[in-house]
Amino acid sequence: AQSVTQPDIHITVSEGASLELRCNYSYGATPYLFWYVQSPGQGLQLLLKYFSGDTLVQGIKGFEAEFKRSQSSFNLRKPSVHWSDAAEYFCAVADRPKTSYDKVIFGPGTSLSVIP
Amino acid sequence: DTEVTQTPKHLVMGMTNKKSLKCEQHMGHRAMYWYKQKAKKPPELMFVYSYEKLSINESVPSRFSPECPNSSLLNLHLHALQPEDSALYLCASSQDVGAGRGTQPQHFGDGTRLSIL
Repeated sequence: AQSVTQPDIHITVSEGASLELRCNYSYGATPYLFWYVQSPGQGLQLLLKYFSGDTLVQGIKGFEAEFKRSQSSFNLRKPSVHWSDAAEYFCAVADRPKTSYDKVIFGPGTSLSVIP
Repeated sequence: DTEVTQTPKHLVMGMTNKKSLKCEQHMGHRAMYWYKQKAKKPPELMFVYSYEKLSINESVPSRFSPECPNSSLLNLHLHALQPEDSALYLCASSQDVGAGRGTQPQHFGDGTRLSIL
């Protein structure tokens, strides 16, 4: 069965420092991968997605992620963190679609705190 | 601003009450989803509607009853809930790209914070 792991439950970084959030997936075929962010009291916002092609994916808010098939990883990065980036981050994989809807498997999430 | 609108934002109800959560999107998406999210946990899929028909029910108790009146609206009817049902309920939608032709990301609303007394 498909699964997603995020090894870091909580990460604290200083504002202006670089950030990398780790994500590993288990999936038999080429996965469809996503990163979502959830600020307190809000829903999930899509940061970026990988379907195929270039393994380095650019997203919103200055985030990027790199798909590495050999490591089954899809790590999220940002060169300089802003205080507003403090939130919960979820990595997710979509089941290979046989229908018009998607079943998305979410990782457990990484909580990011930013020190001023 | 989110393109998926959920009402109400907060709901407090007793265990004997009947209430409904509403979700609306005008993006032309034909798949809509209900998720339940407990604090510090990822969303858990409850139901999927595809073209206004129920496609997935993740073994959700019958005290939760979904309804999709049209392609833009999704309701979740609540009755005789338990305290453990207190959670954030998220609605999402995604574009139909045809079976087996790929996938599109889900767009989420801000959720309804439900508290059961």
